[in-house]
Amino acid sequence: DQQVKQNSPSLSVQEGRISILNCDYTNSMFDYFLWYKKYPAEGPTFLISISSIKDKNEDGRFTVFLNKSAKHLSLHIVPSQPGDSAVYFCAASAGNQGGKLIFGQGTELSVKP
Amino acid sequence: DGGITQSPKYLFRKEGQNVTLSCEQNLNHDAMYWYRQDPGQGLRLIYYSQIVNDFQKGDIAEGYSVSREKKESFPLTVTSAQKNPTAFYLCASSRQGLDYGYTFGSGTRLTVV
Repeated sequence: DQQVKQNSPSLSVQEGRISILNCDYTNSMFDYFLWYKKYPAEGPTFLISISSIKDKNEDGRFTVFLNKSAKHLSLHIVPSQPGDSAVYFCAASAGNQGGKLIFGQGTELSVKP
Repeated sequence: DGGITQSPKYLFRKEGQNVTLSCEQNLNHDAMYWYRQDPGQGLRLIYYSQIVNDFQKGDIAEGYSVSREKKESFPLTVTSAQKNPTAFYLCASSRQGLDYGYTFGSGTRLTVV
C-alpha cells in the first residue's frame, strides 16, 4: 500500500519556466511533509518542508503548497535552472510514528537550457 | 565538519554470503535509519533506531539485521536470506523533530554476483 505517491516519473521543463512537482498521500495522520532532491549515486538532500498547520512555505525559488482536504502537496520551482535537474522525492511523517519518513517514488526533473 | 559516512561506496557479494554496511554519524543525532532504493520504487524503510540499544523494523526488514550499540553507529547486515539484495542502500540520521529533515549519507551500492 503506497501511502505517498508521485504519479509522474519524469518532468521536462525549459530553463526559466516554472517546474511543478506533485505528490499525493493517503494517510490522514501525516502531519509533516518534506521534499528532497537527489543526484545519481548520492544521498538525498533536504530541500523544504511544511507542517500540516500551514498551507504554504517558501524558501527562495522553492515553494511547497499543501492541500489537506485533497491530501495533495506540490513543489514549485521558479525560475527553473539546469542545476535543478535531479530526482525529487516527497516524504511524509505522522507525529505518532517517531520521525519515520515515508517516501514517494520520486519524479525525475530535467531542466533544458 | 559534521556529517554521516557510509562505507564502502561499492560492494560486491557472492550469493549466500552475509555482508555488513557501515554507517557512522558525528551529528549527535539520536535517530538513525536505513533505506533501500530500487528503480521506480523510491526509498523504502528497512530498519530504524530512535535511541541506543533499540531499533524497529521498517517496511522491508526481512533478510536484514541491525545493531545500535553506540549513538554514532548503525550498521546494517544483509543476510543470505535477503532474496534480492542488489540495490542502493542509504543511511540517514535525524535530531528530535523533523524541522530539518534527515541527513543522508552518500549511499552504498551493493551488487550480488
